[in-house]
Amino acid sequence: DAGVTQSPTHLIKTRGQQVTLRCSPKSGHDTVSWYQQALGQGPQFIFQYYEEEERQRGNFPDRFSGHQFPNYSSELNVNALLLGDSALYLCASGLGTLGFAEAFFGQGTRLTVV
Amino acid sequence: QKEVEQDPGPLSVPEGAIVSLNCTYSNSAFQYFMWYRQYSRKGPELLMYTYSSGNKEDGRFTAQVDKSSKYISLFIRDSQPSDSATYLCAMGHDSGGGADGLTFGKGTHLIIQP
Repeated sequence: DAGVTQSPTHLIKTRGQQVTLRCSPKSGHDTVSWYQQALGQGPQFIFQYYEEEERQRGNFPDRFSGHQFPNYSSELNVNALLLGDSALYLCASGLGTLGFAEAFFGQGTRLTVV
Repeated sequence: QKEVEQDPGPLSVPEGAIVSLNCTYSNSAFQYFMWYRQYSRKGPELLMYTYSSGNKEDGRFTAQVDKSSKYISLFIRDSQPSDSATYLCAMGHDSGGGADGLTFGKGTHLIIQP
């Protein structure tokens, strides 16, 4: 049983560019949440998707947007990249809107903005 | 004051010792309490999940939640070098419209000396 898979694993972008990160949830899960983890910090909640809609959002600007597809996979888009967006981006999946309660995380995408 | 406080360490103990990891929090609405283990450059792995107050045991791991004191703990018995990792506490609650994202501590870096 494949767990949560994320792609790509590493990415280098230039300031001002746009980036798209992808996530496939664990089999049987229908909720996807995205987190940003800066070096030496705990993950910070960006947003949660359920039934193809954004259900909850953390304290992140509109430059961060997402999408969930009918097969429950998800994308995170970040526009107008800033140096401060450099971080490990984590996807977590669960079941239902309380799915975070036993959330399973992927390995993350390490984004470096130069 | 941060919502979740966690001593970043590092915490270094000899193999076989009992390890105690702790977090304090300020938001009395938190209902779900989790402990994650994160190895370097990997995604967090769920270790323990507790709903509301009480104790939960799983093998060498015991999680305790004291909501009256807003204090949670993770105990690791018979610690092994393979337990060396960063341990993250995380908390969440149902705001009525579904679960909000998890709020994480900064993580405690644990080193088990052989």
